[in-house]
Amino acid sequence: KQEVTQIPAALSVPEGENLVLNCSFTDSAIYNLQWFRQDPGKGLTSLLLIQSSQREQTSGRLNASLDKSSGRSTLYIAASQPGDSATYLCAVQGSGTYKYIFGTGTRLKVLA
Amino acid sequence: NAGVMQNPRHLVRRRGQEARLRCSPMKGHSHVYWYRQLPEEGLKFMVYLQKENIIDESGMPKERFSAEFPKEGPSILRIQQVVRGDSAAYFCASSPTTGGESDGYTFGSGTRLTVV
Repeated sequence: KQEVTQIPAALSVPEGENLVLNCSFTDSAIYNLQWFRQDPGKGLTSLLLIQSSQREQTSGRLNASLDKSSGRSTLYIAASQPGDSATYLCAVQGSGTYKYIFGTGTRLKVLA
Repeated sequence: NAGVMQNPRHLVRRRGQEARLRCSPMKGHSHVYWYRQLPEEGLKFMVYLQKENIIDESGMPKERFSAEFPKEGPSILRIQQVVRGDSAAYFCASSPTTGGESDGYTFGSGTRLTVV
């Protein structure tokens, strides 16, 4: 049974810092992994999707990596800004399934 | 392309009333998925539907919950006789292909149900 864990659960950093959010999953048989951003009381915004055959994806100041064999993904945020404050969710879609299994997220606060 | 549209954004119901949540998938998407996010918990799969068919409802509570995706119109998640424990954010997602293996899902903004 796939389980997704995100560490840390909460993180507070000063503006300008580079930071790394971690996601681990127990079953390496996946189609893809997605990172989402969720603002309080709002919906989900897809940030990056990594296919199982890929090692990383980049979008602006965000870089996500995937190591299937070790069951890990990291989301790297460069030069963090107060506007990056949100909850970041990691979700994996297992091979042969349409379901996403979500982690419980990392609550990020970037201090001005 | 307007994306996945959910309405209402916020819904307040008294205990015992019915709640109807609507989801219009992205244009060209014929696969719809509903997820629920309970307070302080991760999103959990509820149901997967194609037009006029329920493919997998293994994540739906056995009683009071139902879902449909008619030939015309939005997908509806219906909760009868709501209780306080139904208070949650309900998210809908859609994909153009079965399971969305290539491109993942596109999620809507969710409906926040509060039962008072």
